[in-house]
Amino acid sequence: EAQVTQNPRYLITVTGKKLTVTCSQNMNHEYMSWYRQDPGLGLRQIYYSMNVEVTDKGDVPEGYKVSRKEKRNFPLILESPSPNQTSLYFCASIASGSYEQYFGPGTRLTVT
Amino acid sequence: DAKTTQPPSMDCAEGRAANLPCNHSTISGNEYVYWYRQIHSQGPQYIIHGLKNNETNEMASLIITEDRKSSTLILPHATLRDTAVYYCIVTSFGSGGSNYKLTFGKGTLLTVNP
Repeated sequence: EAQVTQNPRYLITVTGKKLTVTCSQNMNHEYMSWYRQDPGLGLRQIYYSMNVEVTDKGDVPEGYKVSRKEKRNFPLILESPSPNQTSLYFCASIASGSYEQYFGPGTRLTVT
Repeated sequence: DAKTTQPPSMDCAEGRAANLPCNHSTISGNEYVYWYRQIHSQGPQYIIHGLKNNETNEMASLIITEDRKSSTLILPHATLRDTAVYYCIVTSFGSGGSNYKLTFGKGTLLTVNP
């Protein structure tokens, strides 16, 4: 089954404790990206990657890092999480030249 | 990317057709109309997309006006599981190194009632 998976699905952590949210897709898609969703602000893009070792900033990259060492994986790293990063996070992927973008199930992160 | 305007909410009776409108009066010639939906905090799900012609797939139909300034998503026989926020997105992304970013507005909350 074609899918994007994210782990963990729920995470409660404390300010400053480094964390990683993993994202993996099994469709051999070149493009992957991360969004965060906040009430009243909709989904905003954090980072994206056009292919392995190629990443770029989206609209709200501050406080986040990403890496793309393998085609299937695109982890989101919060080196020093802060309460304003409490949000619902989605990973997405799409094949180059395609139209249908696939989203993961979401990771609800709470930073206290 | 062109902006879109959608009603904040709509109701539909189960089994009836749901017609969701979207205005995109500033759409450019190379921009597509996409529809996604999000069921209660789940990941957004692709529904359908089109450029000029009307489109139909197993989920829905998309009707685009001749001047392309508006469109309507039609769910022919709405079920309770179709209750979701529906997003109309206009974008020109594609291949050739462009960011496949989707700009989600507030969308329309469709509530299907029994």
